[in-house]
Amino acid sequence: TQLLEQSPQFLSIQEGENLTVYCNSSSVFSSLQWYRQEPGEGPVLLVTVVTGGEVKKLKRLTFQFGDARKDSSLHITAAQPGDTGLYLCAGAITGTASKLTFGTGTRLQVTL
Amino acid sequence: SAVISQKPSRDICQRGTSLTIQCQVDSQVTMMFWYRQQPGQSLTLIATANQGSEATYESGFVIDKFPISRPNLTFSTLTVSNMSPEDSSIYLCSVEAFSGRAIETQYFGPGTRLLVL
Repeated sequence: TQLLEQSPQFLSIQEGENLTVYCNSSSVFSSLQWYRQEPGEGPVLLVTVVTGGEVKKLKRLTFQFGDARKDSSLHITAAQPGDTGLYLCAGAITGTASKLTFGTGTRLQVTL
Repeated sequence: SAVISQKPSRDICQRGTSLTIQCQVDSQVTMMFWYRQQPGQSLTLIATANQGSEATYESGFVIDKFPISRPNLTFSTLTVSNMSPEDSSIYLCSVEAFSGRAIETQYFGPGTRLLVL
């Protein structure tokens, strides 16, 4: 059973466009991480959010953790070809320290 | 953060054989994990590698098929036994470390790409 659903599954946009990726669950998470994975590599951590309602910015990327800590979003402003990759959210469920549940993934392609 | 290496980076194997994947971390860590990522899919946790005791396997994964060793706090191995084409995947090692604000999170190795013919 996949506890974390991401949408959209695939996204192909042109350079300069904005986009938002959603990560939704019915479970409460003690923390939530976002990763980006490029072909041939392991996932690379982008951010960790822990507080309900928290907003974190990483250059053109804005991450938000839902107030109830059940969902999160990733917004990219003015996408660039270097943003291309598989974006994965992963949640640590309260009470099960350390174990991460990964989302279904969003594959983003940014073209010139 | 932590720097993690895996060997081999990729391999092509015949069905019925076994492959052992190594994971090395540049610092001592308590928690190490092994994941599988099938083509075009997300990550699925196989097991938690416990130092000094048997690994803890997730539902659907068993020790006979995926034996794991964890001889010390910087090293672990995962063996994929009696391989079949369905075992073709990327196998990823991860470790738990502390990011800023003392938040526990996981860092991943580059993965081992396995193709079983």
